[in-house]
Amino acid sequence: DQQVKQNSPSLSVQEGRISILNCDYTNSMFDYFLWYKKYPAEGPTFLISISSIKDKNEDGRFTVFLNKSAKHLSLHIVPSQPGDSAVYFCAADQGGSEKLVFGKGTKLTVNP
Amino acid sequence: DTAVSQTPKYLVTQMGNDKSIKCEQNLGHDTMYWYKQDSKKFLKIMFSYNNKELIINETVPNRFSPKSPDKAHLNLHINSLELGDSAVYFCASSRLVNGGYTFGSGTRLTVV
Repeated sequence: DQQVKQNSPSLSVQEGRISILNCDYTNSMFDYFLWYKKYPAEGPTFLISISSIKDKNEDGRFTVFLNKSAKHLSLHIVPSQPGDSAVYFCAADQGGSEKLVFGKGTKLTVNP
Repeated sequence: DTAVSQTPKYLVTQMGNDKSIKCEQNLGHDTMYWYKQDSKKFLKIMFSYNNKELIINETVPNRFSPKSPDKAHLNLHINSLELGDSAVYFCASSRLVNGGYTFGSGTRLTVV
């Protein structure tokens, strides 16, 4: 019962180009979405989030888009840098439940 | 000056043993969590404590017992370890759930 799905296990992008990481969810009660970045042997670190009342949130090179009707969100990284190579987790929360539901992650590789 | 530190980083033990993983945060956060990342890479919440009180217990076997002596510490004790307990366990803390999670670097538990 995956409520948060990241269907692409991996993504490879050239440095300087755009990286687009996708995430789908099934629970329409989710109202807050987050992206975490994880390097090997480290814990996930918070990257960017979006509330369900918005459809876009931007922070530097990172932009998250939310399409509530499609229950889909995406993370855009522009321009991609080799240091962005990591596993990216999408997570969702319902009404401040303090219980984030995570996707399986997408491994992004940015090639120099 | 690690914000959320968990020890040990690696733990290899035999089936049937009892082991503990310790977690400490120096962020002044009120809520702490244990997450488990299994072989399928899913990050799933196990427990959450708020000010030393258990808030979330996600159908985790009784063999797992969290203990929070104060709000800066949340330890995880596991009795009668089984092969299926092998995973990476992440501790996290937050002041607010919306983006405020800070994860530890994880403890890789291997049961042989």
